[in-house]
Amino acid sequence: EPEVTQTPSHQVTQMGQEVILRCVPISNHLYFYWYRQILGQKVEFLVSFYNNEISEKSEIFDDQFSVERPDGSNFTLKIRSTKLEDSAMYFCASSGLAGEETQYFGPGTRLLVL
Amino acid sequence: DAKTTQPPSMDCAEGRAANLPCNHSTISGNEYVYWYRQIHSQGPQYIIHGLKNNETNEMASLIITEDRKSSTLILPHATLRDTAVYYCIVCPGRRALTFGSGTRLQVQP
Repeated sequence: EPEVTQTPSHQVTQMGQEVILRCVPISNHLYFYWYRQILGQKVEFLVSFYNNEISEKSEIFDDQFSVERPDGSNFTLKIRSTKLEDSAMYFCASSGLAGEETQYFGPGTRLLVL
Repeated sequence: DAKTTQPPSMDCAEGRAANLPCNHSTISGNEYVYWYRQIHSQGPQYIIHGLKNNETNEMASLIITEDRKSSTLILPHATLRDTAVYYCIVCPGRRALTFGSGTRLQVQP
């Protein structure tokens, strides 16, 4: 069964450093999403991406964040200068075209900012 | 804020049906009812969704009331592996999913 994969599973970084989280969406999906979950809190939407453009973003997704589809298979989330409060699980999701709108999530990347 | 209301927790005996309710009284005509679950800190797992009609798949059944203001997720024979937080989400599709606090289902042996 096709699935969304994410790398790395865990990332530890120093405050102020840049991190790139990677996702491989389900192969025939064209809509991509990032969510995050701070420990003990709700899953929060960050951004959605379609046709090489951001289609929707939340207030959390500020200038420190960016997304990119660098090639035909990867979808990345970059945090330019990490803060302590960026520590969270980051989940990628993807969905398809009409009739296939369901979002399928990856296993997540646990980011710890020290 | 989430547009759904779910009980914070429920218990169910192993092998019995688990019926998880959800109220979504402000649902719009183009919004689907989606159910996901999350086991520990794993990625949310899609379970089932529906618009108006009841739906069934290999994991669960979804019963939506005629006025669409509430729904029930049914796990027909709960197992210990079904212990998780279950989220009911209304969304028009391909838009941001708004997760609430969900229902923590504990399946008891």
